[in-house]
Amino acid sequence: SAVISQKPSRDICQRGTSLTIQCQVDSQVTMMFWYRQQPGQSLTLIATANQGSEATYESGFVIDKFPISRPNLTFSTLTVSNMSPEDSSIYLCSVGGLAGMDTQYFGPGTRLTVL
Amino acid sequence: GENVEQHPSTLSVQEGDSAVIKCTYSDSASNYFPWYKQELGKRPQLIIDIRSNVGEKKDQRIAVTLNKTAKHFSLHITETQPEDSAVYFCAATAGGSQGNLIFGKGTKLSVKP
Repeated sequence: SAVISQKPSRDICQRGTSLTIQCQVDSQVTMMFWYRQQPGQSLTLIATANQGSEATYESGFVIDKFPISRPNLTFSTLTVSNMSPEDSSIYLCSVGGLAGMDTQYFGPGTRLTVL
Repeated sequence: GENVEQHPSTLSVQEGDSAVIKCTYSDSASNYFPWYKQELGKRPQLIIDIRSNVGEKKDQRIAVTLNKTAKHFSLHITETQPEDSAVYFCAATAGGSQGNLIFGKGTKLSVKP
């Protein structure tokens, strides 16, 4: 596996503002993903963060709301834009492709509360 | 697209008993099926996975079985212990793609001492 960190671990934000979440992994990985987990719910894939190109978004998620960057093979950011209380959730990054395998490992998550 | 159904949503067992959680998937192209354990306030942890070329895999007290024809897979935990209490999620790759995981809704397992 790999050591995956996320910043911030939690935040409380005001409606209408934006928050950028960082995901850092200690080794190069081919795949990085962003998930959302609403309270008491399952994990929903937001997008695949592609290195050197635009992220691939799942149905229901758009780039204007969740812009993603992936400048290299160890780092990615997810921005939650123009936040509303409905965006309150845990946001998790995951990494895959270690040793050529598709197994995914999750970061510790960012708990976001929007007032 | 891929849809993953998971049952039961809650499961309560006595310590030492076995627990079984079942999942079905819709996309016959799915080829990778991981199981994650999530304790309260923590990240999901991979506990076991299986690929479509294998019917069964075991790791100590945990086993996973896969029936490709019926498109279902199951997690079996034997000799349960209180520390097995957590929410368990199954997942399947979407459309055979590398990496895109579709998760079931989760099973809250409670093991009573």
